[in-house]
Amino acid sequence: LAKTTQPISMDSYEGQEVNITCSHNNIATNDYITWYQQFPSQGPRFIIQGYKTKVTNEVASLFIPADRKSSTLSLPRVSLSDTAVYYCLVGESGGYQKVTFGTGTKLQVIP
Amino acid sequence: NAGVTQTPKFRILKIGQSMTLQCTQDMNHNYMYWYRQDPGMGLKLIYYSVGAGITDKGEVPNGYNVSRSTTEDFPLRLELAAPSQTSVYFCASSYVIQGTGELFFGEGSRLTVL
Repeated sequence: LAKTTQPISMDSYEGQEVNITCSHNNIATNDYITWYQQFPSQGPRFIIQGYKTKVTNEVASLFIPADRKSSTLSLPRVSLSDTAVYYCLVGESGGYQKVTFGTGTKLQVIP
Repeated sequence: NAGVTQTPKFRILKIGQSMTLQCTQDMNHNYMYWYRQDPGMGLKLIYYSVGAGITDKGEVPNGYNVSRSTTEDFPLRLELAAPSQTSVYFCASSYVIQGTGELFFGEGSRLTVL
């Protein structure tokens, strides 16, 4: 199972771009990289998923270098409502039964 | 569009009591999961199911049981509740097309065992 390492916490001012990097040195060939967001007292919510290079959707971008040993979630122009815990998950196709949620990165957006 | 629905939202149990947390999804997802989340921690997988009639243990199955008689429902049974089972429980479902799919979570059930 691929182990992930992410910063425990980050602070950012409103309007700034935030980049959260996740390290996954032993990622396997078939593994995908997925990021989730969790607000207090709520279940996590899917943000973005990728396999290689760059993926972009309406809320975030995911950058994955060629060696895939790390990935970076980029949140453009954060607002106070982006204050949450962000989880980086790595796992192969076929469901989440072998995927581990770490403690995530607690992002605090400051006015 | 309800998604994943969990009941109850809150429950207080006495040590040794039993209860069932209900989970139902209306998205026709084949995979369903139960997680627990302790304060300040990530989610830990208790049990999962890849389809009706098929269940398997996750990382922390002791003290729990599940069943999956239909695609929609995946109840979690706590037998002989213990204080260590005080936690927030999340049910989730996914439909795998490519990659690991997207997990859809319920709102959670906060359980306190006294």
